[in-house]
Amino acid sequence: EVQLVESGGGLVQPGGSLRLSCAASGFTFSSYWMHWVRQAPGKGLVWVSRLKTDGSGTYYADSVKGRFTISRDNAKNTLYLQMNSLSADDTAVYYCARIGDGYTSGLAYWGQGALVTVSS
Amino acid sequence: SYELTQPPSVSVSPGQTASITCSGDKLGDKHACWYQQKPGQSPVLVIYEDSKRPSGIPERFSGSNSGNTATLTISGTQAMDEADYYCQAWDSSTYVFGPGTKVTVL
Repeated sequence: EVQLVESGGGLVQPGGSLRLSCAASGFTFSSYWMHWVRQAPGKGLVWVSRLKTDGSGTYYADSVKGRFTISRDNAKNTLYLQMNSLSADDTAVYYCARIGDGYTSGLAYWGQGALVTVSS
Repeated sequence: SYELTQPPSVSVSPGQTASITCSGDKLGDKHACWYQQKPGQSPVLVIYEDSKRPSGIPERFSGSNSGNTATLTISGTQAMDEADYYCQAWDSSTYVFGPGTKVTVL
């Protein structure tokens, strides 16, 4: 069974940093691109970033480019999101996600999410 | 940057058909996906690659995509289908979500 479990969320002051982790199990982690998607309280889904299987290709939404860094450790089956220069606009639940087997797109597997609150 | 638009809300009576549209420039040239999200839960993929249903998704969910519009259709809508629905497409190596449509089953 595919499982994605996020951790590392919490309260951080404006301008601060936080690193989220996503522990993957139930599949060959190193074979899949991985994604981060966020959702501000009461708002819609916003795609944040995605990362190639070997970590060599990264893509970001304009809203986080230059502040967030996505990375992975295939030996530990873990995806990361390093978030710097955080502002109140970054307050959200952050989900890691993976596309389905054989799909060209379509995020079939999601974690339960990690809440990040940026506030003084 | 690429944008998708959806109606904020759709109302449907139980047993009737609900149609949710998603519009974007030449969306028909891209693959559209649809997600269902209920309060306090993670999103669930209900349609991928325009019209394919993942395993476990009921047949009453169907999708189409042509021109500038993708459509999610829920046939024989049930109370359990009340949720927010988001379309999503892939453009220039980035994913884009629509703003979401709240489906109310009256």
